[in-house]
Amino acid sequence: DGGITQSPKYLFRKEGQNVTLSCEQNLNHDAMYWYRQDPGQGLRLIYYSQIVNDFQKGDIAEGYSVSREKKESFPLTVTSAQKNPTAFYLCASSTGEPSSYEQYFGPGTRLTVT
Amino acid sequence: GEDVEQSLFLSVREGDSSVINCTYTDSSSTYLYWYKQEPGAGLQLLTYIFSNMDMKQDQRLTVLLNKKDKHLSLRIADTQTGDSAIYFCAVAGGLIKAAGNKLTFGGGTRVLVKP
Repeated sequence: DGGITQSPKYLFRKEGQNVTLSCEQNLNHDAMYWYRQDPGQGLRLIYYSQIVNDFQKGDIAEGYSVSREKKESFPLTVTSAQKNPTAFYLCASSTGEPSSYEQYFGPGTRLTVT
Repeated sequence: GEDVEQSLFLSVREGDSSVINCTYTDSSSTYLYWYKQEPGAGLQLLTYIFSNMDMKQDQRLTVLLNKKDKHLSLRIADTQTGDSAIYFCAVAGGLIKAAGNKLTFGGGTRVLVKP
């Protein structure tokens, strides 16, 4: 089955540690996205990538970093510089074609930093 | 840029119809989507409408688009307890084109279905 996987589902870290969230897709999509969702709020875009080896900052990129070395993978690192890292993180992908904006989402990773 | 607004909460009795509303600012938006998010899960695409349509029906779901008022609605007929979730509208493809085919999401409407 084609889809997007995120691991782990729950992640706990101590303050001051960097942590990397995994996102893998086998949909052969060019574009991938990372969103952050806080309780009772909508989605805010962190980073996106339209093609391998290229990515752009979204609306709230500070304290985060990404890489896109393979088409299938778009890992997100939450650095110690992120002031409020506890949140639900969602990864998505799309074909990236000009006429197709539909995004497919993974199941999410809930990160708790104490 | 594009701004998308939704009401925060909707309570409905099982068996009744639910209507979730969304307004957006870019009148030239061409792609409009509805997503559903169940607790602790990712977003699932429910349905979509293109701007050259006024209405789209898909089983229990009806999407209405009023381009003049920049208003989008999702009607769920015969609402069931399994429909309890957060519903997001998302728009794209307007004159305010965003690189990377980005969607602009509303804040989500939490729907609670009471038995």
